[in-house]
Amino acid sequence: ETGVTQSPTHLIKTRGQQVTLRCSSQSGHNTVSWYQQALGQGPQFIFQYYREEENGRGNFPPRFSGLQFPNYSSELNVNALELDDSALYLCASSFGTSGIQYFGAGTRLSVL
Amino acid sequence: GENVEQHPSTLSVQEGDSAVIKCTYSDSASNYFPWYKQELGKRPQLIIDIRSNVGEKKDQRIAVTLNKTAKHFSLHITETQPEDSAVYFCAADGNQAGTALIFGKGTTLSVSS
Repeated sequence: ETGVTQSPTHLIKTRGQQVTLRCSSQSGHNTVSWYQQALGQGPQFIFQYYREEENGRGNFPPRFSGLQFPNYSSELNVNALELDDSALYLCASSFGTSGIQYFGAGTRLSVL
Repeated sequence: GENVEQHPSTLSVQEGDSAVIKCTYSDSASNYFPWYKQELGKRPQLIIDIRSNVGEKKDQRIAVTLNKTAKHFSLHITETQPEDSAVYFCAADGNQAGTALIFGKGTTLSVSS
């Protein structure tokens, strides 16, 4: 059984650019949730994908978008990057709507 | 929506002492309350969780208690060890989506030997 993996581990972008982050869910899991963790804060829910459909969204603007693929891996896309988007982006996978969430190691995004 | 408050923000104990971290939540519809441990530069790891039909759960040195009436839950670590030093996050299911979690701001636990 493989765990949750994320790529890349680190990324540096400039303001206004676009970025795509990737997440491979744990074997057997069909749900992926994305979180943003600012320095010194708890993770904040961005959105969740269940069986390739968005299944809930937190308080993030539309320039944060996502996808889930048939193999249940997922992408997080952020357009028009702002300095405040600098954070650790975590994905978590689970089985079903009440499953335990297992986190990846995250992607550290720096926006200059 | 759900809001989770966590206290204290920092906690320093001597090795062997007990540590208690407390969280309150706002949405009475929340049913699932996990605790995660995050070491510096690493992923959050689930250490224990509790669902609303249970008042207490224990796993070796770690226990969680839940009071649904008062809408608060607590993490108890006994016989602390230096390797328990980390940031601990409580969370509640936000009821926005099936398994969306709303996290507290974290407690930095330092265990000195």
